[in-house]
Amino acid sequence: NAGVTQTPKFQVLKTGQSMTLQCAQDMNHNSMYWYRQDPGMGLRLIYYSASEGTTDKGEVPNGYNVSRLNKREFSLRLESAAPSQTSVYFCAAADRGLNNEQFFGPGTRLTVL
Amino acid sequence: AQSVAQPEDQVNVAEGNPLTVKCTYSVSGNPYLFWYVQYPNRGLQFLLKYITGDNLVKGSYGFEAEFNKSQTSFHLKKPSALVSDSALYFCAVRDARSQGNLIFGKGTKLSVKP
Repeated sequence: NAGVTQTPKFQVLKTGQSMTLQCAQDMNHNSMYWYRQDPGMGLRLIYYSASEGTTDKGEVPNGYNVSRLNKREFSLRLESAAPSQTSVYFCAAADRGLNNEQFFGPGTRLTVL
Repeated sequence: AQSVAQPEDQVNVAEGNPLTVKCTYSVSGNPYLFWYVQYPNRGLQFLLKYITGDNLVKGSYGFEAEFNKSQTSFHLKKPSALVSDSALYFCAVRDARSQGNLIFGKGTKLSVKP
């Protein structure tokens, strides 16, 4: 039971390049989330998916797109990377219900040059 | 607007002493409050949550948190700190308006010295 997995762990991009961050969960949870973590900023929500087939914008969606491929997988795409997108990206999953905690993946450290 | 504040960027404690990491919140309606811990180069791990009931909530690794409605606070505590407790701690509140998304504080770095 791996929980939430993310690939890759590290990535370096040049400005303007594109890439997709992958996330998968084996907990059968309905909701999935993408956050970015920047020093002194805490975690900020980029996009979330309350259930398979739905996605919604979070606090900082500009420059990103997401796909909820199925119940297990939720990918985050940077179409044209910018230095401001240098960050650590975390995926999380949670069961439905306001009292349910989110479970986090190990993160992807992305540097955009 | 719903928000959570962690007023201290860093807390320093000697091993064996009690520790407190502070958190205050602002919500409309009932608060759903969470504490997470992040060890270096790792993802966030759930510690404990307050949904309803007893104001003192017990969680993982000997941590507990006290919910205080009148002070809108949810401080994280541990009676005796360990060096291995050194990590980044995040308080979060559930945003009931947007399908339950978490709003995180900026984090408090806890440093426990031997």
